[in-house]
Amino acid sequence: SAVISQKPSRDICQRGTSLTIQCQVDSQVTMMFWYRQQPGQSLTLIATANQGSEATYESGFVIDKFPISRPNLTFSTLTVSNMSPEDSSIYLCSVAVQGDNEQFFGPGTRLTVL
Amino acid sequence: AQSVAQPEDQVNVAEGNPLTVKCTYSVSGNPYLFWYVQYPNRGLQFLLKYITGDNLVKGSYGFEAEFNKSQTSFHLKKPSALVSDSALYFCAVRDMNYGQNFVFGPGTRLSVLP
Repeated sequence: SAVISQKPSRDICQRGTSLTIQCQVDSQVTMMFWYRQQPGQSLTLIATANQGSEATYESGFVIDKFPISRPNLTFSTLTVSNMSPEDSSIYLCSVAVQGDNEQFFGPGTRLTVL
Repeated sequence: AQSVAQPEDQVNVAEGNPLTVKCTYSVSGNPYLFWYVQYPNRGLQFLLKYITGDNLVKGSYGFEAEFNKSQTSFHLKKPSALVSDSALYFCAVRDMNYGQNFVFGPGTRLSVLP
């Protein structure tokens, strides 16, 4: 398994601003992912964070809106750019560990955009 | 394409009674199946998985799930529910032929009544 932390745990932001969310893992992992959970909804995969290269985005998500960095095997950031109230969600980081089939999730970042 | 259905938005059960949370899936290849639980203001916690082998898998907190290939189902069960089991439960599927991408069901809210 893996222990995952996220910062911040929650934030309230003004529309038009940007927020960067950090994800830190206690061990090196092969894959890191970012999900969005809109209010009352299930999880939707935003992108796979690739170490040393551009993230792989799912349909409906673009790099200009959700730039992602992954400078090493234990850390990644997701930025939510030019925010609008529709971006109010919980953003979750997850990891896949070599040899395990499941993903392990961080505690999430609850974002409210006014 | 992969998909997951959880036909019940809400399941209510009395404490001490058995509980079932239903999940059906659709994949083109062989499925990897997972159950996660989300407590209020928390991230997702892994409960159990089916990869191969016995159709009945046991997981954390006394939960188990039965893989039924002919019915494409993976229902979550517990013989005796606790009030502390009240939470949001997500079923997820990964097609083993398509990498690490998970698809989550819409979630089922379980309420265990004292």
